[in-house]
Amino acid sequence: AQSVTQLGSHVSVSEGALVLLRCNYSSSVPPYLFWYVQYPNQGLQLLLKYTTGATLVKGINGFEAEFKKSETSFHLTKPSAHMSDAAEYFCAVSVSYNQGGKLIFGQGTELSVKP
Amino acid sequence: EAGVVQSPRYKIIEKKQPVAFWCNPISGHNTLYWYLQNLGQGPELLIRYENEEAVDDSQLPKDRFSAERLKGVDSTLKIQPAELGDSAVYLCASGRHDRTEAFFGQGTRLTVV
Repeated sequence: AQSVTQLGSHVSVSEGALVLLRCNYSSSVPPYLFWYVQYPNQGLQLLLKYTTGATLVKGINGFEAEFKKSETSFHLTKPSAHMSDAAEYFCAVSVSYNQGGKLIFGQGTELSVKP
Repeated sequence: EAGVVQSPRYKIIEKKQPVAFWCNPISGHNTLYWYLQNLGQGPELLIRYENEEAVDDSQLPKDRFSAERLKGVDSTLKIQPAELGDSAVYLCASGRHDRTEAFFGQGTRLTVV
């Protein structure tokens, strides 16, 4: 069975500081990995995804994530935080089966950005 | 391109009453998902459709929840009767058959009082 663990339910950084949100997954088969962002009272927006190929994935809004198979991790980073980055971030894993997988989400990490 | 559209955005009902949520997926997306998001939690899949067929409904509480996707486009999720514990956000998402990512609507926030 697949699962996702996000370390830290809340992360606070200063504007301009590095953002690091941690995600570890469990999967018996090669996973597809995703990061979604959710602003208050909104749906989830895809930030980036890893399927195959290059393990460093770049997404929108300056975010990137690196797939490390040996560590079963897919941590999300951004070199310099902006106030507009404050939101809830979800890591998710998908195992494609029957030609269409389902997403298993982590518990989420709330990112606060201090001025 | 229009995104996934859900209605209503907010709904307050008394317990034991029925409630229905509607979802219009992105045009051309044959896969449709309903997710449940409890406060402070990640979304959990309730049901997944491939066209009009429900291919994964193992997490749907079938005693009170039902869903349909007539003609393989719009979908409706119903709860009857609603319980206090059903208060949550119900998210609809859609995707393409040959892709794994899902695109989410804004959700319906249900409050059962």
